[in-house]
Amino acid sequence: AQKITQTQPGMFVQEKEAVTLDCTYDTSDQSYGLFWYKQPSSGEMIFLIYQGSYDEQNATEGRYSLNFQKARKSANLVISASQLGDSAMYFCAMIVLEAGSYQLTFGKGTKLSVIP
Amino acid sequence: NAGVTQTPKFRVLKTGQSMTLLCAQDMNHEYMYWYRQDPGMGLRLIHYSVGEGTTAKGEVPDGYNVSRLKKQNFLLGLESAAPSQTSVYFCASRPGLGRYNEQFFGPGTRLTVL
Repeated sequence: AQKITQTQPGMFVQEKEAVTLDCTYDTSDQSYGLFWYKQPSSGEMIFLIYQGSYDEQNATEGRYSLNFQKARKSANLVISASQLGDSAMYFCAMIVLEAGSYQLTFGKGTKLSVIP
Repeated sequence: NAGVTQTPKFRVLKTGQSMTLLCAQDMNHEYMYWYRQDPGMGLRLIHYSVGEGTTAKGEVPDGYNVSRLKKQNFLLGLESAAPSQTSVYFCASRPGLGRYNEQFFGPGTRLTVL
């Protein structure tokens, strides 16, 4: 079974500063993917970034980057130059690609608050 | 292209009542999923479908049933609602092959069971 752990229930960051949200995962599968989703107060789930287990380079999407350390089983999200609109819940999730269901396993989330 | 839509957006039920949540996607996706989100928790998988006419149990299936009679629709049923089923329900879909393996989420349905 897969497990995602997000140890930071809440984080604060000053506007324009960078912030790292932690995520560790546990799986015995070799082929998997890791996601970060953003959930603002309006409730929708917004896809941010994806990292495949065989990707050699860390994923980047604009101000988002994923610090993937496979040996440590960590997939931390780095947000550079934080903006007020980044205040939201952030969820780390995993997909096992060898299974046929492609279901996601989510962590409990981190609430990020950006301070002006 | 509406993406993933969910009906209704909000609903209040009394204990023992039944209801059906409808999820529809217009992206011709093979896979569809129902999740629930409770306070302080991430999303947990209830049921999923890997294609028309097929369904399977997820992590928390008890008290729910699903059907996928048409490829674009995935229905979640509560036969006898309980207060423990008060939650926000999300539907998601994904294609058979995608660049990022991502799931596309609907806007959610907020259900309260009194």
